[in-house]
Amino acid sequence: DGGITQSPKYLFRKEGQNVTLSCEQNLNHDAMYWYRQDPGQGLRLIYYSQIVNDFQKGDIAEGYSVSREKKESFPLTVTSAQKNPTAFYLCASSKDRGHEQYFGPGTRLTVT
Amino acid sequence: QKEVEQDPGPLSVPEGAIVSLNCTYSNSAFQYFMWYRQYSRKGPELLMYTYSSGNKEDGRFTAQVDKSSKYISLFIRDSQPSDSATYLCAMSSANYGGATNKLIFGTGTLLAVQP
Repeated sequence: DGGITQSPKYLFRKEGQNVTLSCEQNLNHDAMYWYRQDPGQGLRLIYYSQIVNDFQKGDIAEGYSVSREKKESFPLTVTSAQKNPTAFYLCASSKDRGHEQYFGPGTRLTVT
Repeated sequence: QKEVEQDPGPLSVPEGAIVSLNCTYSNSAFQYFMWYRQYSRKGPELLMYTYSSGNKEDGRFTAQVDKSSKYISLFIRDSQPSDSATYLCAMSSANYGGATNKLIFGTGTLLAVQP
């Protein structure tokens, strides 16, 4: 079955540690996205990538980094510079620059 | 003012009711409109996708866009307890210059369908 997988489902880290969230898709989509979801704030775009080896900052990129070495994979690193990292992180993909984005199941990150 | 406004609810209805969910927006450049359903602790699932104004129907779901009023709606007929979820609207502008289109999301409306 085609889809987007994110791992792990739950992640716990101590403050000051970097952590990497995994996102893989087998939909053959070109574009991939990372969002953050906080209660009452909707989804906010962190980074997006249209093609391999290229990515752009979204609205809230500070404290995050990404890479796009393979079409199928778009990992997100939450660095210690991110002031409020505890959130629900969602990865999405779309065909070309399409408006229809499909989401993965999400990773809930808790930093204490 | 947010670009997209959505009443957070919660909205509680009895099983079988017709549900109306709405979003308003301020950016007249938006031409693509989507509705997502998100169950608790899950990723959003794309329900409906419409371009420009008009209606689109898919089973019990109807999406309606009124660009003149900058208002979009999602209607759910014969609502079921399994429809209980948060519904997110999202929209984007036309694909000019080949740039990836960013979706702007509403904050979501929590719907509870009571058996």
